[in-house]
This record gives sequence, C-alpha cells and structure tokens, in this order.
Amino acid sequence: DSGVTQTPKHLITATGQRVTLRCSPRSGDLSVYWYQQSLDQGLQFLIQYYNGEERAKGNILERFSAQQFPDLHSELNLSSLELGDSALYFCASSPGWQGGTYEQYFGPGTRLTVT
Amino acid sequence: AQSVAQPEDQVNVAEGNPLTVKCTYSVSGNPYLFWYVQYPNRGLQFLLKYITGDNLVKGSYGFEAEFNKSQTSFHLKKPSALVSDSALYFCAVRDVNRDDKIIFGKGTRLHILP
Repeated sequence: DSGVTQTPKHLITATGQRVTLRCSPRSGDLSVYWYQQSLDQGLQFLIQYYNGEERAKGNILERFSAQQFPDLHSELNLSSLELGDSALYFCASSPGWQGGTYEQYFGPGTRLTVT
Repeated sequence: AQSVAQPEDQVNVAEGNPLTVKCTYSVSGNPYLFWYVQYPNRGLQFLLKYITGDNLVKGSYGFEAEFNKSQTSFHLKKPSALVSDSALYFCAVRDVNRDDKIIFGKGTRLHILP
C-alpha cells in the first residue's frame, strides 16, 4: 500500500458527460501528479500540483482540468468525454518539487470507461 | 527535450536465469533516473533510483541498475529471476535542471518462464 488513495476505483459513463476523479496524497507529501495510462499511448503525464499551485503541465487536453485543495487532496475533472478518454488514471505524490530527488508513490488508479 | 526509450516491448527469461531490462535516456543536463514496476490491476511501485554517486544502484526485490553516462543507459538487472517478477517495468527520467516533470518510457513486459 503506497499511502495514496484514489476514488472511485471504476467509473462508467457516456460520451459527452463530465466526471471528477479524486486523489489523496501520502501524509506529508506536497506534490500531486496525474497520469493517464492507455494501451496505445502508454503512461502519459498530465499535470502536477505542488502545495496548491500548478507546477508542470504535460499532455493534458483543454477538456481536462485539475486542482489541489488546501488539505492537499486533488481532483481531476474530465469533461465532454470521448470514447478515447477511456483509460486508467493514476495519481501519484511526492514530498517536494524543483530540485528534489524524490520518487513518486502511485495510487491504485481509477479505471474510466466511456461508452 | 528529455526522453527515455525502452527498446524491448517484452523480455522472456527462464526462472533462475539473470535478467536485464534495457533503458536509454536523453536529457540536456544531468539525469535523475528511476525504475518502477506495475503488477496487473495495480499502480506503479517504485523500485530504485539513481541520483548521484555509485553507478550501481540497488533496489527492492533484489533488483539493481547500472548507470552508464557514456552510453546514456540505465539498465535494470537481477541475478536470478523469479516467476513473481513477471510484470510491466517502466524506466523514467527527470532532468536535474528542470522542474519535477518526469518522463516515463513505454514499458517493458517481463515474462519469467517457470
């Protein structure tokens, strides 16, 4: 158990809908990262937050947004969902950010199926 | 731009034999290098990392990796494979001079044959 929790575990929804994925980092970790894992694209970095502020952006679509709250939990919002958004979404956390040597600890993931 | 390559989609090894999973990287500055393992229906688990110092890094479950700066490689190794090592392995790199963004390779599926 990494100490990172994600809810829900599974999500099935229809095209055009909007969903919210939630992540709680390990106790004491200030950075939260979101990743998308699909069979054809591999593991894609989406976005990183550190202590409530956006720190790095990867291949995140404009239909997707995220935020990190004062209690450090994070939410990833996916809107206008398309079939191609079906994937595993992982959250990871680490203690620091720039200059850090920290490994990331991954949650169990949320499997999103868009029908 | 930083990148990481895992040239093999799958590696098959007989149980008890040594295993190697290959990784090469490209960064503009000095690298931080990581290996992660993913078991079915699970999140990624950290195995080991290279930050600085000794080129041979030891990690969890008997795995080790060797940093080779001239060949820009960071291959994962284990002297004697177990069936339970069968999983998906990811190499990752972060440029020391950049922010915390980390780039993952596409992954190598390791299949240990009993």
